[in-house]
Amino acid sequence: GAGVSQSPRYKVAKRGRDVALRCDSISGHVTLYWYRQTLGQGSEVLTYSQSDAQRDKSGRPSGRFSAERPERSVSTLKIQRTEQGDSAVYLCASSLRLPYEQYFGPGTRLTVT
Amino acid sequence: AQSVTQLDSHVSVSEGTPVLLRCNYSSSYSPSLFWYVQHPNKGLQLLLKYTSAATLVKGINGFEAEFKKSETSFHLTKPSAHMSDAAEYFCVVRRRERTYKYIFGTGTRLKVLA
Repeated sequence: GAGVSQSPRYKVAKRGRDVALRCDSISGHVTLYWYRQTLGQGSEVLTYSQSDAQRDKSGRPSGRFSAERPERSVSTLKIQRTEQGDSAVYLCASSLRLPYEQYFGPGTRLTVT
Repeated sequence: AQSVTQLDSHVSVSEGTPVLLRCNYSSSYSPSLFWYVQHPNKGLQLLLKYTSAATLVKGINGFEAEFKKSETSFHLTKPSAHMSDAAEYFCVVRRRERTYKYIFGTGTRLKVLA
């Protein structure tokens, strides 16, 4: 069956530009999560949302990150004014709802030059 | 606070020999622990999970892990490595709090030599 998908798989952005990363979750899953995976530093959760309401912004490193839910099974992570430190793999995950098991997408590798 | 440490960033084994990927965790209460595998250009795939039932957990593809509370460890093992096992492996602890965040280790890249 269809799993979690992410697009684009690779993104190169110039420092200072805005980027948007897309996640298509598994149909029927209510909760979507965004993680940032940095080489040698593990992963941290950036934000998660349930249904169409964004919740728990405490994981965001700064106000430059936001997640929107244009459709029930779609989430878009927006990074404003990208910095070189934002270079990482961004993973999206979805679950039936909290606190059920999370299913992960393949990730988007963002490189900020 | 919860955290997870993967002790080896790279492990190389010969095909047919045992695999041991080490993971230690710290948790203020009983954690849920997972091992995920990520092949190049693929998403994270769940290998196995521990959720306070049996301490020896069997997963897919012949992998298993043992939860040892006294050692705060959850090492991943496989008796005989296959070339297709070459990938990156992540040990993950799940926080049992309101947000149920997954906390990842830094990953161990497994190389299997012919």
